[in-house]
Amino acid sequence: EVQLSQSGGGLGQPGGSLRLSCTASGLSSSSPGMSWVRHVPGKGLEWVSAISGTGFMTYYADSVKGRFTISRDNSRNTLYLQMNSLRVEDTAVYYCAKGIWEFDSWGQGSLVTVSS
Amino acid sequence: SSELTQDPAVSVTLGQTVRITCRGDSLRAYSPSWYQRKPGLAPVLLIYGKNNRPSGIPDRFSGSSSGDTASLTISGAQAEDEADYFCCSRDSTGNRAVFFGGGTKLSVL
Repeated sequence: EVQLSQSGGGLGQPGGSLRLSCTASGLSSSSPGMSWVRHVPGKGLEWVSAISGTGFMTYYADSVKGRFTISRDNSRNTLYLQMNSLRVEDTAVYYCAKGIWEFDSWGQGSLVTVSS
Repeated sequence: SSELTQDPAVSVTLGQTVRITCRGDSLRAYSPSWYQRKPGLAPVLLIYGKNNRPSGIPDRFSGSSSGDTASLTISGAQAEDEADYFCCSRDSTGNRAVFFGGGTKLSVL
């Protein structure tokens, strides 16, 4: 069974930066595509970004393009989301998830609050 | 349009069957995945592909699709099924990988 353990997040200032990490355990020998999805309290789910198993292909929502960077270190089974130029509207619980087109395992979530 | 539309709220009587719908142009090309989200917990994948359930998902959950509309059916709703449900589709425009519907809050009465 795949387990995803997240770290990072917390309070960030508008214009500031934060980084999220997500470490996977229980993976088979292959490195699956991975994604970040966020949930704004009181609102729905929003897909944020995805990365292929090799890391060569990355995808971003328009709302974060140019500000967020997804990356991975397969030697450490770890996924990252570097969040720069933070905005108040980035406030959300961020989940890492296994997969690109559908998500069959999720991390526990990391609260990111952007406020001055 | 590249959006998925869901009814904001639906209710069902305990033990009855309920259908949660999702509508969008992308559904003409792709079968959606469905997720259940309870407060404070991570979403759970219920259905993917044509009508596939991951291991551990009760068989009272099923999915179907026709044209631009997909449905998640819960046959014999249980109290623990009260939650938010989201459909998710690949983006046929290629602008993004996937996108979610607005979600449906299911109340079990």
